[in-house]
Amino acid sequence: QQQVKQSPQSLIVQKGGISIINCAYENTAFDYFPWYQQFPGKGPALLIAIRPDVSEKKEGRFTISFNKSAKQFSLHIMDSQPGDSATYFCAANKGSSNTGKLIFGQGTTLQVKP
Amino acid sequence: NAGVMQNPRHLVRRRGQEARLRCSPMKGHSHVYWYRQLPEEGLKFMVYLQKENIIDESGMPKERFSAEFPKEGPSILRIQQVVRGDSAAYFCASSSQIGDGYTFGSGTRLTVV
Repeated sequence: QQQVKQSPQSLIVQKGGISIINCAYENTAFDYFPWYQQFPGKGPALLIAIRPDVSEKKEGRFTISFNKSAKQFSLHIMDSQPGDSATYFCAANKGSSNTGKLIFGQGTTLQVKP
Repeated sequence: NAGVMQNPRHLVRRRGQEARLRCSPMKGHSHVYWYRQLPEEGLKFMVYLQKENIIDESGMPKERFSAEFPKEGPSILRIQQVVRGDSAAYFCASSSQIGDGYTFGSGTRLTVV
């Protein structure tokens, strides 16, 4: 119940294309869903996050779509650029709990070809 | 305003030695979290601390691992009698509120030889 399953494991997209990464969760108590971007040798950096009271959130070229009934959420990267090549992690958290523990997906390695 | 500072960036230890990993949270952040990342895997929660208190250590191995966040100074993750399986990247994150707006450090890459 604590797992977050992420797919695909790796993704290759042409420059200008749309990158889509999917995550599914089991625990209906989760109420905070962030996405992190990690470059080699660096720590994860918060990209965008959503709470279940909205079905979509957009920040620049990055959009989270959230389907509460299906317990799924996805990251869409529009107009993908070579600089977006990185590993992306989804995560989930029960914000009302007394701990800040984030449950991470397994990660997706994105390569954007020029 | 410096980010989360972790040191050392790289640490090599022989089997049986002790490893000490340090984390200074962002200014104004009182919540510190430690995560471990094995090669080709996601981050696994280890421990959540506030000043002088361990709040959640449900992800910490029962033996050899300990963490502290003293009133003064950085948070320390200590691994005693390291084994090859401890080789991983260890990330620290801090936040000003519980579970929200984490900022991660660049990590310490521990190699046990």
